[in-house]
Amino acid sequence: EAQVTQNPRYLITVTGKKLTVTCSQNMNHEYMSWYRQDPGLGLRQIYYSMNVEVTDKGDVPEGYKVSRKEKRNFPLILESPSPNQTSLYFCASRTSQWYFGPGTRLTVT
Amino acid sequence: RKEVEQDPGPFNVPEGATVAFNCTYSNSASQSFFWYRQDCRKEPKLLMSVYSSGNEDGRFTAQLNRASQYISLLIRDSKLSDSATYLCVVPNSGGYQKVTFGIGTKLQVIP
Repeated sequence: EAQVTQNPRYLITVTGKKLTVTCSQNMNHEYMSWYRQDPGLGLRQIYYSMNVEVTDKGDVPEGYKVSRKEKRNFPLILESPSPNQTSLYFCASRTSQWYFGPGTRLTVT
Repeated sequence: RKEVEQDPGPFNVPEGATVAFNCTYSNSASQSFFWYRQDCRKEPKLLMSVYSSGNEDGRFTAQLNRASQYISLLIRDSKLSDSATYLCVVPNSGGYQKVTFGIGTKLQVIP
């Protein structure tokens, strides 16, 4: 089954404790992207990747890092999470349409 | 003007009604558009693509008005299962590297 997976689905952490949200797709898509969704603001792009070792900033990249060492994986790294990064995060991959992962609900206290 | 604007609603409509939402965009160079459906904080899923003047799929019709820079989504004979948030998606560049999502319009179909 074609899908995008994310882990963990839910995470509660404390300010400053580094965390990684994994994202993997089995559709051999070159393009992958991370979004955060907040009430009243919609989905905002954090980072995207056009292919292995090619990444670029989206609209809200501050406080996040990504890497793309393999085509299927695109992890999102928060080196020092802060409460304003509490949000619902979606990973997506794309050909002619976007395929989204199930989301990761992150709470930073 | 925001890049993509949608009325957040909610739109409360009775079963069987016809409902339409609009999405306005500011980038006149945008060539294609998408409507995504999102259920209660789950992942968005593609509903329809709009590449030219419009698209129709069963009870759903999407139309594009380039002159006025908006796309619309029409839902006929609303079902309870249509209750969801509908996101308008506008790629910012030809390669779709960056896209702008609308905040979504919430639809609640009531019995």
